[in-house]
Amino acid sequence: DQQVKQNSPSLSVQEGRISILNCDYTNSMFDYFLWYKKYPAEGPTFLISISSIKDKNEDGRFTVFLNKSAKHLSLHIVPSQPGDSAVYFCAAGTGANSKLTFGKGITLSVRP
Amino acid sequence: SQTIHQWPATLVQPVGSPLSLECTVEGTSNPNLYWYRQAAGRGLQLLFYSVGIGQISSEVPQNLSASRPQDRQFILSSKKLLLSDSGFYLCAWRSFYGPRNTEAFFGQGTRLTVV
Repeated sequence: DQQVKQNSPSLSVQEGRISILNCDYTNSMFDYFLWYKKYPAEGPTFLISISSIKDKNEDGRFTVFLNKSAKHLSLHIVPSQPGDSAVYFCAAGTGANSKLTFGKGITLSVRP
Repeated sequence: SQTIHQWPATLVQPVGSPLSLECTVEGTSNPNLYWYRQAAGRGLQLLFYSVGIGQISSEVPQNLSASRPQDRQFILSSKKLLLSDSGFYLCAWRSFYGPRNTEAFFGQGTRLTVV
């Protein structure tokens, strides 16, 4: 049973436009969420996180939105740049548990 | 600052051979340590995690085992590799202390190909 779902395997966006990456979860016990970026043959790097007590967190070009009632979060990248092309993973965890559960990832391609 | 080292970067092993992947963390004490595997189309799957020396939790039944002989050392092993063990293995650490206590920090990964 996949508790964190990234249903779209890929997304292609024009440079300068907005990229919206979506993530759904089923476990209502998750109380924080993270986004990671991964290049081929490298480990994932942390991008941005959000606590369940918030509905928005912003860091530069990256904004994460959380809709707890819908069990949905999204990562917005504005403006998108070619260097943003990578696989993006959504992850979730609980304060009482030391595990992070990841989705399958979304491959973002930003066209110049 | 904290760093995580994982080696080797790539490995080609025959079926039935043993495996040992090592991960070490510097600059932190008593981290939580994790082994993940990225298989094609399956995202990041948690294999093992450890909250302390000698404490290992297994997430999925498999042909692999993990050990934590020292506070900042985490080892992934197998006695006999299977073809299905091929994948990209990632070690990660996490601390529950400090302002960034929800993040996990990953090593560069090991590409294992079992032939």
